[in-house]
Order: sequence, then structure tokens, then C-alpha cells
Amino acid sequence: GENVEQHPSTLSVQEGDSAVIKCTYSDSASNYFPWYKQELGKRPQLIIDIRSNVGEKKDQRIAVTLNKTAKHFSLHITETQPEDSAVYFCAAREGGADGLTFGKGTHLIIQP
Amino acid sequence: DAGVIQSPRHEVTEMGQEVTLRCKPISGHDYLFWYRQTMMRGLELLIYFNNNVPIDDSGMPEDRFSAKMPNASFSTLKIQPSEPRDSAVYFCASSFLRYGYTFGSGTRLTVV
Repeated sequence: GENVEQHPSTLSVQEGDSAVIKCTYSDSASNYFPWYKQELGKRPQLIIDIRSNVGEKKDQRIAVTLNKTAKHFSLHITETQPEDSAVYFCAAREGGADGLTFGKGTHLIIQP
Repeated sequence: DAGVIQSPRHEVTEMGQEVTLRCKPISGHDYLFWYRQTMMRGLELLIYFNNNVPIDDSGMPEDRFSAKMPNASFSTLKIQPSEPRDSAVYFCASSFLRYGYTFGSGTRLTVV
């Protein structure tokens, strides 16, 4: 089955700086890669996703890049704000499968 | 739409008791997923349904776990008998055509 590795497990950045979270996946047929944000005690919420036929996608301060050859994808957050503090999860959907396999999460801390 | 609705939000039960978790997916969504979240194992896919039909239950940890989806607007996850190691947050998620998975608020289960 699919295996998703996520790094780093904890990331601390100064407010206003950029944050980058990286994930790798094992199944070259994986075709859908969403990112979720989870605040303490709340549900994971979809913040951005990318399909395998696209290399990059941007939504305001958030962007995701996908390198299919290397089998890795990254989340980029620019101009970080205190409300960006949360745990971020990457996920991948195997080709031919329906469920998502999640990474272990990155705890993003925005320092004032 | 009210989103994915789960009940109860919290459940505390004694070891050996039966536990039933409930989920109402978003209207019109054709996929429903049950996930379990723990600190040690992260988000794990337990079982999922497509158009009310169970497709893959390979993530169900043991025969003590069972799930049903009698109609498009309701699903249950049952644990019988419950054990302390079943303590976790159980999330239900739904999606349309396997994109944009939306999670419910989760049920925090504590088995004592």
C-alpha cells in the first residue's frame, strides 16, 4: 500500500516568515494530494489540494508543488500569521484506490 | 449544508461494553470514510463505502469492529466489546467522486 512520509514533525518560524512542509510518497500511480490543517481538538480541514496532472497550485498565501518524478510534494505558506499555528497533514491517494493515506503531521508554531 | 455530522462528540465507556458511533455525510456525497486518529499511529483509514456499499474494510483492526451504511445519509461504526486500546478520536469523512474529503468533528472515545 501507499506510504507517506512527512517532514519536519515540528516547525517553528517567526511571524511573517515562510514555512515549508515536505512529503514523499511511495506509489508512483498516486494521483491526488490534499493538505489538511488541524487545530487542537478540531477536525482536519482541507486547505489546498493538487492533482497529478498539475505541478503547482496557489491560493493566496498557500501553495503546493508536486514533483512526480521524485515522488514528493510540498506545502508553502508565505507571510505566516499567528492563526497559521496548527498541525498540518499531507495525504496521497493511490492510483486505483479511494481512501487517503496520511503523513504523520507537522506541528507548525508561529513565533510572535 | 451542515457538513458531516457525527455523534456523540465524546463517549466514555467501560471495557467490554458496546460502543456505537454515528455519522451523517454531506448530502450528495457518494463516498463515506471512517478514520481513527491516535498520537502513535496518526490518521488511519478503517473502512469506506461507495454508494452505501462497503468497499474496503482492510483497515478494521479486529472482528470487534463493524460498520454499516443502511442508506445514503447514515452510517455507524460499532465496537463490541470495547477495549482500552480502542481509545482514540474517530472521524467520519465524506467526498464526492473521491475529491475534497470533508471531515466531521469526530467522536472522542475513552474506554476505561
